[in-house]
Amino acid sequence: DVKVTQSSRYLVKRTGEKVFLECVQDMDHENMFWYRQDPGLGLRLIYFSYDVKMKEKGDIPEGYSVSREKKERFSLILESASTNQTSMYLCASSFFRGRETQYFGPGTRLLVL
Amino acid sequence: GIQVEQSPPDLILQEGANSTLRCNFSDSVNNLQWFHQNPWGQLINLFYIPSGTKQNGRLSATTVATERYSLLYISSSQTTDSGVYFCAVPFRPGNDYKLSFGAGTTVTVRA
Repeated sequence: DVKVTQSSRYLVKRTGEKVFLECVQDMDHENMFWYRQDPGLGLRLIYFSYDVKMKEKGDIPEGYSVSREKKERFSLILESASTNQTSMYLCASSFFRGRETQYFGPGTRLLVL
Repeated sequence: GIQVEQSPPDLILQEGANSTLRCNFSDSVNNLQWFHQNPWGQLINLFYIPSGTKQNGRLSATTVATERYSLLYISSSQTTDSGVYFCAVPFRPGNDYKLSFGAGTTVTVRA
């Protein structure tokens, strides 16, 4: 079974803090994704990566950066957390480019005070 | 990008009832996926269904690509079916690996 894990289920941070969210997948997937989910808005893509050290902006990249130093690990970084970044963050992975399903991690609920 | 609309936004069912969820999309697609998010936040892929009909237990899905919609059927609903159901299509034609998600249908099944 594909397994996608995220470093924390719940996280509370203060405004201005630097926040790291980590995602690890064990299926040797090329593609990895970071989404945020807010009520009524569905999932919105923040960044994705199709290879080590490769990244592309999604729909809402402002205020975020990412790092992919190893194939299995994709990190989302909030350089200076703000209250409007309080959200559910979901990581996903899939094989290569093409018609492949995405596998999701359990999500991280981030509260920024 | 391709627009995705799901209806209804909310659905309350009595255990044992049947229901249909709808997903409309604004352009031709060759990749459509249905996901279920349980009350604890975990998203699970239900179907990869760019066209035709598929069945998985009490769930089935039909996509009519020429008319740009897909339907998810839940039969004999159970409380474990509660959660949010998302439809997702490629962000734009030919860009299959980047998905656009609808806003979801929240299903509550009451015992």
